[in-house]
Amino acid sequence: DVKVTQSSRYLVKRTGEKVFLECVQDMDHENMFWYRQDPGLGLRLIYFSYDVKMKEKGDIPEGYSVSREKKERFSLILESASTNQTSMYLCASKSSVGQPQHFGDGTRLSIL
Amino acid sequence: GENVEQHPSTLSVQEGDSAVIKCTYSDSASNYFPWYKQELGKRPQLIIDIRSNVGEKKDQRIAVTLNKTAKHFSLHITETQPEDSAVYFCAADHTGNQFYFGTGTSLTVIP
Repeated sequence: DVKVTQSSRYLVKRTGEKVFLECVQDMDHENMFWYRQDPGLGLRLIYFSYDVKMKEKGDIPEGYSVSREKKERFSLILESASTNQTSMYLCASKSSVGQPQHFGDGTRLSIL
Repeated sequence: GENVEQHPSTLSVQEGDSAVIKCTYSDSASNYFPWYKQELGKRPQLIIDIRSNVGEKKDQRIAVTLNKTAKHFSLHITETQPEDSAVYFCAADHTGNQFYFGTGTSLTVIP
């Protein structure tokens, strides 16, 4: 069974802080994704990665960056956190074309 | 890119009735369509998926239909139960890497 683990379920940070959200998958998947989930807006893609050190912008990359130094780990970075980045963040991974994405439990991030 | 629209945004049904959720997509190149269920406070989980070379797929009380010509696909839940209450998301796999998700349907099954 695929396991996608996000480092924190809940996180509270202050405006202007640099915030790191970590995600690890145990199935040697090529592709990893970061989404933001807000009520009424569904799942919006921030960034994804299809290989180590490779990254692609999603629909809402502004204010975020990512890092993928190892295949199993994909990090989301908020360079200077702002209150409008308060949200639920979901990480996902998948193996290849035509396969489902597997999600982590999510990190509920609050920026004060 | 791809654009996926999902309707309705909220749906209430009596226990035992059927529920239908519809999604449309814009790019005929999309060829894989998963459905996810997300219970309150939990992760989205895959419940059923369909590929473009198949018109219908069924798994117990859940079925998905795909109309490639009209570019729409639907989730059908029969004999609904209270534990079916959740948010359901459809998605279309466009380039093989990125999924495009619908905005979700909040289903409430009334006992």
